[in-house]
Amino acid sequence: DQQVKQNSPSLSVQEGRISILNCDYTNSMFDYFLWYKKYPAEGPTFLISISSIKDKNEDGRFTVFLNKSAKHLSLHIVPSQPGDSAVYFCAASDGNQGAQKLVFGQGTRLTINP
Amino acid sequence: ETGVTQSPTHLIKTRGQQVTLRCSSQSGHNTVSWYQQALGQGPQFIFQYYREEENGRGNFPPRFSGLQFPNYSSELNVNALELDDSALYLCAMRQGGETQYFGPGTRLLVL
Repeated sequence: DQQVKQNSPSLSVQEGRISILNCDYTNSMFDYFLWYKKYPAEGPTFLISISSIKDKNEDGRFTVFLNKSAKHLSLHIVPSQPGDSAVYFCAASDGNQGAQKLVFGQGTRLTINP
Repeated sequence: ETGVTQSPTHLIKTRGQQVTLRCSSQSGHNTVSWYQQALGQGPQFIFQYYREEENGRGNFPPRFSGLQFPNYSSELNVNALELDDSALYLCAMRQGGETQYFGPGTRLLVL
């Protein structure tokens, strides 16, 4: 049962344009969402997060949008840079469980072309 | 730089053996979680420790066990290794808050 899904395994974007990565979830108890970026041979690096009480959070070039009714979140990167090429994971947690376990999607490989 | 370190970086074991993986933090994060990431998949939650007690577990058998020490460092132990245990093992730490910060991982290969 895949509670968090990233349906695009890969995405290719021109440098300077906007990258949009999408994520869908099924568990309505999730109340906190995060995006991580992962380079090969490294652990996931935290990028940005959003609480379920908000619908948008922005940090520099990164903006996360949350649509609770659609159970959908997206990460916008603008402008995209070559260093953004990596695998991006969305993750969700249900704080009511006590243990803050993160449920991850399968990841989307983003390639920024010069 | 998250300040979370893991050792070893990689290792090779044979089926049936036991392995211990380690995780530590410079910042004294008081909650540590362990994840298994198989090739091409997202990380999967194994368990979490808070104040040296396990307080949450994912769908992993009892041969996966852990410890958290007073200095908040942690170990993941896996007994009776199986071929499917080959994966990247990640630890993540947090202190209060919601955000978990990951170490670089240990890549385990079981032959």
